[in-house]
Amino acid sequence: AQSVTQLGSHVSVSEGALVLLRCNYSSSVPPYLFWYVQYPNQGLQLLLKYTSAATLVKGINGFEAEFKKSETSFHLTKPSAHMSDAAEYFCAVRPEGIYNQGGKLIFGQGTELSVKP
Amino acid sequence: GAGVSQSPSNKVTEKGKDVELRCDPISGHTALYWYRQSLGQGLEFLIYFQGNSAPDKSGLPSDRFSAERTGGSVSTLTIQRTQQEDSAVYLCASSPGTGGDGYTFGSGTRLTVV
Repeated sequence: AQSVTQLGSHVSVSEGALVLLRCNYSSSVPPYLFWYVQYPNQGLQLLLKYTSAATLVKGINGFEAEFKKSETSFHLTKPSAHMSDAAEYFCAVRPEGIYNQGGKLIFGQGTELSVKP
Repeated sequence: GAGVSQSPSNKVTEKGKDVELRCDPISGHTALYWYRQSLGQGLEFLIYFQGNSAPDKSGLPSDRFSAERTGGSVSTLTIQRTQQEDSAVYLCASSPGTGGDGYTFGSGTRLTVV
């Protein structure tokens, strides 16, 4: 079955430091992959998505993620953390990938990012 | 509307009562999804509507949960005989239903069963 694993339920970095949030997936077909961010008491906002085009995907707020098929990973990075980046981040896979025009997302458990001044 | 609208934003109900949660998707989006987010948990898929196709109900946790989508637009999630373990944030999302588009989420309904 398709699944998503996010390593680390909580990550803490200092302001200005590199942000690295890890995501590994399993999928029997070429997947579509997503990162979402959730600020307190809000819904989820799409950060970026991988849909089989470029393996390095750039998103909003300076975030990017690299699809590595050999490692079945889609880690999220940002060179320099801001206080405003503190939120919960979710990685998701759409299991049907490129073979279906719709379909539900399977989410990881989420990683809470804290940014220290 | 411009985004996905959910109502109510907060709902407190007594154990055993029925509740209805509403979702207004983005106009023109053919796909609609319900997820549940419990404290400390990820997002749990509940149900998925795509156009006129039969919904994917594979995520509904019990027969106390049901959902419908009228006219291909507004959706209502109904929980009958609520239990304390139903307390969670219920999130609705919609998408154009094509390609690799992401999903636009509403702000959710926080359900508390007392």
